[in-house]
Amino acid sequence: QKEVEQDPGPLSVPEGAIVSLNCTYSNSAFQYFMWYRQYSRKGPELLMYTYSSGNKEDGRFTAQVDKSSKYISLFIRDSQPSDSATYLCAMSDLYSGAGSYQLTFGKGTKLSVIP
Amino acid sequence: SQTIHQWPATLVQPVGSPLSLECTVEGTSNPNLYWYRQAAGRGLQLLFYSVGIGQISSEVPQNLSASRPQDRQFILSSKKLLLSDSGFYLCAWSPAGETDTQYFGPGTRLTVL
Repeated sequence: QKEVEQDPGPLSVPEGAIVSLNCTYSNSAFQYFMWYRQYSRKGPELLMYTYSSGNKEDGRFTAQVDKSSKYISLFIRDSQPSDSATYLCAMSDLYSGAGSYQLTFGKGTKLSVIP
Repeated sequence: SQTIHQWPATLVQPVGSPLSLECTVEGTSNPNLYWYRQAAGRGLQLLFYSVGIGQISSEVPQNLSASRPQDRQFILSSKKLLLSDSGFYLCAWSPAGETDTQYFGPGTRLTVL
């Protein structure tokens, strides 16, 4: 079983729709959860960072973490064509000894928002 | 503010040729530095990370190597490229002491023919 599962899509929605992107994971040691947005041929851009279960909101974006179900979500309200990108979830736990966290990434969901 | 640079942006190399990709970070000191490869349909694969000058940890055995000659400079190298080395190479950094979030550079697209 892979550590992080993410539906690759592609996901196509009309402008203004609410988008739900999800990841499931198997490693209960994961403590930190991130969402990255990656435009075509660009590097990933950090969108949201959360720690522990619950919701975190930033503008049109809401990140949700359910540790009991090992499930995280990113919601995009009032989606715009500029939101068209691949969204990657990422998770980490404390990497012993190195003082450095390693991230485990999902493979990404490709989102298209149609005008 | 912090900025991360990578070059070249695009590279086409023949099999068996050497490789050198460079990454530099501005606006921070003693960052953790990372090299990732992103292949189509395979997600991000961590190749190397470094917590300080001359300190390199390898995650995946391969014909690639990394070096950190200066605090904010990270170099990815190969003596002889393979076809399987093609991909999108991303450098990332995280602040020392705050290593749970990573910030990525613009990437280098490498095609080995």
